[in-house]
Formats: sequence, structure tokens, C-alpha cells
Amino acid sequence: GAVVSQHPSRVICKSGTSVKIECRSLDFQATTMFWYRQFPKKSLMLMATSNEGSKATYEQGVEKDKFLINHASLTLSTLTVTSAHPEDSSFYICSARDFRQGVYEQYFGPGTRLTVT
Amino acid sequence: SQKIEQNSEALNIQEGKTATLTCNYTNYSPAYLQWYRQDPGRGPVFLLLIRENEKEKRKERLKVTFDTTLKQSLFHITASQPADSATYLCALTFGNEKLTFGTGTRLTIIP
Repeated sequence: GAVVSQHPSRVICKSGTSVKIECRSLDFQATTMFWYRQFPKKSLMLMATSNEGSKATYEQGVEKDKFLINHASLTLSTLTVTSAHPEDSSFYICSARDFRQGVYEQYFGPGTRLTVT
Repeated sequence: SQKIEQNSEALNIQEGKTATLTCNYTNYSPAYLQWYRQDPGRGPVFLLLIRENEKEKRKERLKVTFDTTLKQSLFHITASQPADSATYLCALTFGNEKLTFGTGTRLTIIP
């Protein structure tokens, strides 16, 4: 299957600072990437859809000014958590779609554990 | 709105037996359905995709079935091993749209 990498895997930051998370598709090009958030023992919650060369589409209730998404190339999307607060502490997972044999298979990165102190 | 349910939150199976996980959905059928494995602290790992016009798909010890009449997919792991212990997620895609995830089943294979 296709490989999606994410960096960093863990980050601790102070309240009020910003944190950038990178997501890369390593062996395929992805015009669309997705950013999810996951709380303990819960399923994945889609935050936004990242489209290469255009603005991201955010899900209802997700603050676009707090979670900045940039999809500058076909293999890289970034999520920046601005002015982070402790309630932003969570597990963030990116995903990219690969069109294979007429369907979109979706692959996920290993996730980034963000802790805001 | 579309609702996806996975039969149980947790399932314990004896090593060597077949584990069967269920994914049920309401309303209209998806274009295709995907199964993922997720280990604690890690992102989901893609396992299998089955289209709405396919009844069954296999990959090594894994088998997925898709019944659009029952609005159900079954995920089987044969000859289960302790290393198969994980949370398994089903996810539906409608046309060109985003994935919608089920709640997940935490599978434990008991040696």
C-alpha cells in the first residue's frame, strides 16, 4: 500500500505558541489530503479537507483561524495549530487519497501527539 | 444522516479461531467500504477495500463481505493470532466524498 508520513510524532508546546505538523505522501501524489483529530477511545473526527493549490474545506465547528492548513504541493500538506491552548491537546492524524483501479484508497499517517502545557 | 455501527465495542476471541466483526449502516449504500486496523497511539492502517458491486474480497487471512441488501459488511480474520489484537474500523465512502467512520471494535485474541 501507499505510505503517508507525519512529522513530528510528538510535540509539547507552551500555551500561546504555534505548532506546525507536516504530512507527506511518500510514493504517490495526493491532490486531496485530510486532517483528523482523535480523542482517547473515540473514532476519528474529520477536521478539514486539504486541496492542493486551493483553500481547505473545514468541517462544521472547526475554527479555520486556529487550524491553518496549507497544501502547497501534491505530496505535502501542513496543519498549524495557532495560539495553542491545553484544550487543543490531542492526537492529530493526516490522510491522503490515492486513486487506484477506479477507486480512492485512503491512507493514514502515524499521527502526531500534541500536548499543550 | 448516515449512521454506521460496528457490532460490539470489544470482542475477545480464542487464538486460532475465526474473528468476525460486523459493520452495519443505515440509509443509502456507499460506493465502497474500507476496513482499517488501528493500534494504540498510531494512525489507522489500510487493510481492504470492497466495492458495492463486489460480494467478497480476500487478502491472506482476511476476508471482507459486503451485502447491500442487509446494509452490512462482515470482516473475518481466520486462524487468529495475538498479534491481530487491535481496534478495527470500518469506513464508508459515498461517490467522491470523504470517509465516514464507524465507532470501531477492539479485538483481543486470547492465547
